Amino acid sequence: EIVLTQSPATLSLSPGERATLSCRASQSVSSYLVWYQQKPDQAPRLLIFGASNRATGIPARFSGSGSGTDFTLTISSLEPEDFAVYYCQQHTNWPITFGQGTRLELK
Amino acid sequence: EVQLLESGGGLVQPGGSLRLSCAASGFTFSSSAASWVRQAPGKGLEWVSTISTGGGATSFADSVKGRFTISRDNSKNTLFLQMNSLRAEDTAVYFCTTSGGGTYFDNWGQGTLVTVSS
Repeated sequence: EIVLTQSPATLSLSPGERATLSCRASQSVSSYLVWYQQKPDQAPRLLIFGASNRATGIPARFSGSGSGTDFTLTISSLEPEDFAVYYCQQHTNWPITFGQGTRLELK
Repeated sequence: EVQLLESGGGLVQPGGSLRLSCAASGFTFSSSAASWVRQAPGKGLEWVSTISTGGGATSFADSVKGRFTISRDNSKNTLFLQMNSLRAEDTAVYFCTTSGGGTYFDNWGQGTLVTVSS
C-alpha cells in the first residue's frame, strides 16, 4: 500500500497570503496524484488531477506540481473561501489511498 | 447538472447489514466507473470500493473485503453498496463518487451516515 504523508497538518495563514501544501508518497506514483478540498459538512471537491491539471471551474490561484514521490499544492493568494481541509490521493496502485489531510485555517 | 444522491444509511447493530443506494442524474452514468469513499467522524477520507463501467470488475479495501459488495444497475442509473457483518469501525459518512477519467473522484454525492452501535 502506498502511504501518502501530507504536511503540515495545520497551516495558519491570512487572506492574500500564499499557501504551500505538501504531499509525499512512500513510493513513486508517477503523476497519478490528485488534490481535493473539503469544507465542513460538505463533500470533497476535486481541485487538481494528474498532479498539475486544474479540474473544471477551479480558479487559477490553485496550482499543483510534482511527480514521482513529492507533490505540492499552491494557492497563490488566499481568498476567505479557501480555508478548508485539503487531501491528496494516489491512483497508481490499488488500494487507492489518501493523505491524512492538511487543515488550512485562518490566522 | 450532475447529481449523486445517496440513501440507505442509518443506525444498525454490530453484525447487522445495510444496503446503500446512489441515484445518479445529469450525466451518462454507464460511462463512469463508480466508487464509495467513507469518512469516519472527525477523520480523513478512506476509499472503500470501486466498480467498473459495466460492473464486471470490482475492487475493495482490505478493511471491507469479504463483507461488502458493490454493484450497479446502469438501466436505473444507480450504484449500490451491500454492507454485511458491520462493525463499529464502519461508522462513517459514505460518499458515492464517479470517475470520468482515471481512478480519482470528480463527482461526489452529499453522503449518507452509517452508524454501527448497540
